[in-house]
This record gives sequence, C-alpha cells and structure tokens, in this order.
Amino acid sequence: QKEVEQNSGPLSVPEGAIASLNCTYSDRVSQSFFWYRQYSGKSPELIMSIYSNGDKEDGRFTAQLNKASQYVSLLIRDSQPSDSATYLCAVRNTGNQFYFGTGTSLTVIP
Amino acid sequence: GAVVSQHPSWVICKSGTSVKIECRSLDFQATTMFWYRQFPKQSLMLMATSNEGSKATYEQGVEKDKFLINHASLTLSTLTVTSAHPEDSSFYICSSFTSGPYEQYFGPGTRLTVT
Repeated sequence: QKEVEQNSGPLSVPEGAIASLNCTYSDRVSQSFFWYRQYSGKSPELIMSIYSNGDKEDGRFTAQLNKASQYVSLLIRDSQPSDSATYLCAVRNTGNQFYFGTGTSLTVIP
Repeated sequence: GAVVSQHPSWVICKSGTSVKIECRSLDFQATTMFWYRQFPKQSLMLMATSNEGSKATYEQGVEKDKFLINHASLTLSTLTVTSAHPEDSSFYICSSFTSGPYEQYFGPGTRLTVT
C-alpha cells in the first residue's frame, strides 16, 4: 500500500465550477498535510498546508482534513483555466519524512 | 512562502562529464534539504535527504557515488552528477525544509540533458 494515494485523473471541470481533489494516506500518526500545484515543466509550488481536523480556507482554496478517515481534500472554487495543473498531495510524518502522491491532473475548460 | 533558488536552470553536457547543481535557501536557514528527480509525466522521486554538516541519506536504488551531495551550510546544498550518462537526463529539483511550520519549499528545478 502506498503511503499517499491520489486519483491520477484527469479531472476536467468547466470554468467557474468547483474542483474537488482527494487524497488518502496510510500512516495514522502523520503530522502535517500539504497540497502542491505543479504546472507542466515547472517545480511544485506549495499552495496549502493543514495540520488539524476541519477546514482551512485561503482565497479560492479550501483544504479539508479528516484524520479519523485518513483523508485530505482540496476544493478550488470558481475554477479558472490558470488552475489547470497537476496537484500533489503530501504528508509529513513524525520523523519529518515527506510522502507525495502521484498527483491529480486538473483541466479547467474555458 | 520561503524562496529557494537553483542554478543552473538548465544544462547540457556530454556523456562522461560531471555536472554540479546548486540549491540555495534565500530567506531562511534550512537544516534539511531534499533532492528529487522527475522524469517526463512521472511523479517526484526522492533521491536523498541532506542535513547540514552531515552526510546525506540516500534512497534505495540511488547511487551515492554517482550523485554526490554536499550540504556545507544552512543555506546551500549541492548535487554533483558524476560521469553523467544519457539516462541521467531528467529534471532535478531541490527543496528546503523549515521547522516551525514544517513546510517544504521547492526550487525551480534544473533540467539536465546528457548527450
């Protein structure tokens, strides 16, 4: 079983819709959870971090964490074509090791 | 977020030569830096974890004698690809880890092409 699992997609949404990206992780004692955005040919960029159960909002982005279900998600409201990218979920454990999912490819259709 | 730079951004070298890639954390001190490799349309692959002042920890399958990592200061880590071969052509990305927020920030990456 992989440490972090994501649906590879591709996920397509129309412009203005809500994009929902999901991630599950296997280590129950994981400490921190992150979402990175990676445009084609570029390096990943940190867009959200979340540490406790519940929702965390930053602009059009909302990260949701449910430790009991070992599940973390990212919602993108009012999706824009510029949001088209691969989204990586990452988890940090108590030893400061990071595990990345393989990424979900998102396409926002104008 | 924190700023991490990499140099060079791209490099072309001949087979058998060595290439050094620098990674700098510009606005914070990074006790730990990570080195990743990413092939086209594939996911990130962690190569090694570099801690300031100590030897790097390499992931299984990564040749430490081929990929030399030096983390001489809290703001600089270098990766040297020795005796490069065409199969080493890839996108190499470093990242810096900050304690406190426990976040990892990536450099812009170095695209290596070995001919």
